[in-house]
Amino acid sequence: DTAVSQTPKYLVTQMGNDKSIKCEQNLGHDTMYWYKQDSKKFLKIMFSYNNKELIINETVPNRFSPKSPDKAHLNLHINSLELGDSAVYFCASSRGRGGNQPQHFGDGTRLSIL
Amino acid sequence: AQSVAQPEDQVNVAEGNPLTVKCTYSVSGNPYLFWYVQYPNRGLQFLLKYITGDNLVKGSYGFEAEFNKSQTSFHLKKPSALVSDSALYFCAVRSSYSGAGSYQLTFGKGTKLSVIP
Repeated sequence: DTAVSQTPKYLVTQMGNDKSIKCEQNLGHDTMYWYKQDSKKFLKIMFSYNNKELIINETVPNRFSPKSPDKAHLNLHINSLELGDSAVYFCASSRGRGGNQPQHFGDGTRLSIL
Repeated sequence: AQSVAQPEDQVNVAEGNPLTVKCTYSVSGNPYLFWYVQYPNRGLQFLLKYITGDNLVKGSYGFEAEFNKSQTSFHLKKPSALVSDSALYFCAVRSSYSGAGSYQLTFGKGTKLSVIP
């Protein structure tokens, strides 16, 4: 009964490849997020969707594209992977537009680029 | 722009002693403040939040935090530390203003808490 689940947990791939990370939440929340945590544990928001509408679109390379087929799912597709993309990517969800409600995080996808 | 400072990269405390993890913030308008904890190879877990009301907020696992508007601080505290409290702690803030660009939380860089048996 995992609340926010991400797949895969680990992703090891070659530079230049295209990969996707999937996220699903069963909490009934209407807002979902993607964060990137670098090797120094710094956490940065990438995207957020509220009811399938993009509400946060931070300065990330165009190679990163989120897609929300419904409010329980938010996937992240990455084209032409680069060494600097190596990080842990976290999906999160919350009620409302993320204002005063806590966010619930998945356990992350560890992306390693060879 | 909003920002969070966690001035200590690491805090060491003996088991049973009180602990404090510091956080200061900068935001336009009134702040919404949060503390999260991250255990190794896990996602962040919500501990507590301050939105409005009583300056002393109580949260999960015996943690509490005090909102101090004049000092723009929101320090995390616990009266008696446990070894199992050892983890990475993040403070986060967003403005109470609505509008474009205001929905996101800004996280501090994290403070590693080590509780020594």
